[in-house]
Amino acid sequence: QSVLTQPPSVSAAPGQKVTISCSGSSSNIGNNYVSWYQQLPGTAPKLLIYENNKRPSGIPDRFSGSKSGTSATLGITGLQTGDEAVYYCGTWDSSLSALVVFGGGTKLTVL
Amino acid sequence: EVQLVQSGAEVKKPGESLKISCKGSGYSFTSYWIGWVRQMPGKGLEWMGIIYPGNSDITYSPSFQGQVTISADKSISTAYLRWNNLKASDTAMYYCARLPSLNYGADYWGQGTLVTVSS
Repeated sequence: QSVLTQPPSVSAAPGQKVTISCSGSSSNIGNNYVSWYQQLPGTAPKLLIYENNKRPSGIPDRFSGSKSGTSATLGITGLQTGDEAVYYCGTWDSSLSALVVFGGGTKLTVL
Repeated sequence: EVQLVQSGAEVKKPGESLKISCKGSGYSFTSYWIGWVRQMPGKGLEWMGIIYPGNSDITYSPSFQGQVTISADKSISTAYLRWNNLKASDTAMYYCARLPSLNYGADYWGQGTLVTVSS
């Protein structure tokens, strides 16, 4: 059972937009920055979003992040088949001996 | 170029010991946290613990406290993850990752080390 709750799966057609939610509490998302990661099959995770809504160099602006209260959202526009991956949210949690935590992951299928 | 290069895949028997490594390059190794992440077959990501090589400050996730030991040798820019008594349930992919700060996220990842524990 992950501290952060994500939907197990989402799907959308190529070119469409999808959002992935990440729900937490005041001890994690509510008082800390959220980051998002993409894990393509057979590869290491890659940072997509940090500090709630910032993109590292090289990440296209099709990817966006937002946070409100104890929830965060990853948005992906102009979906491509290459976006098929598992997406994870992450943040700091002050209630678990102070450590970084992940959501359970959301499998994105581009139909 | 920032790189984290992990040691190669391992096959071990239950009860054996193991230490895997993660060598950082292209940045100041002592100025960033290094974390270890477990991914069991077909499952999600789990933070195991983090270390700040600059002062060897270490925090373990409660689930992994006492099960593994995290360390670092800043003279060779390398972090380690060690088991003293492997179990079949330790079979997983293990990643190291760099964190600029604990609230930033992990911006660079190693390629992963597959550990298989089987009799």
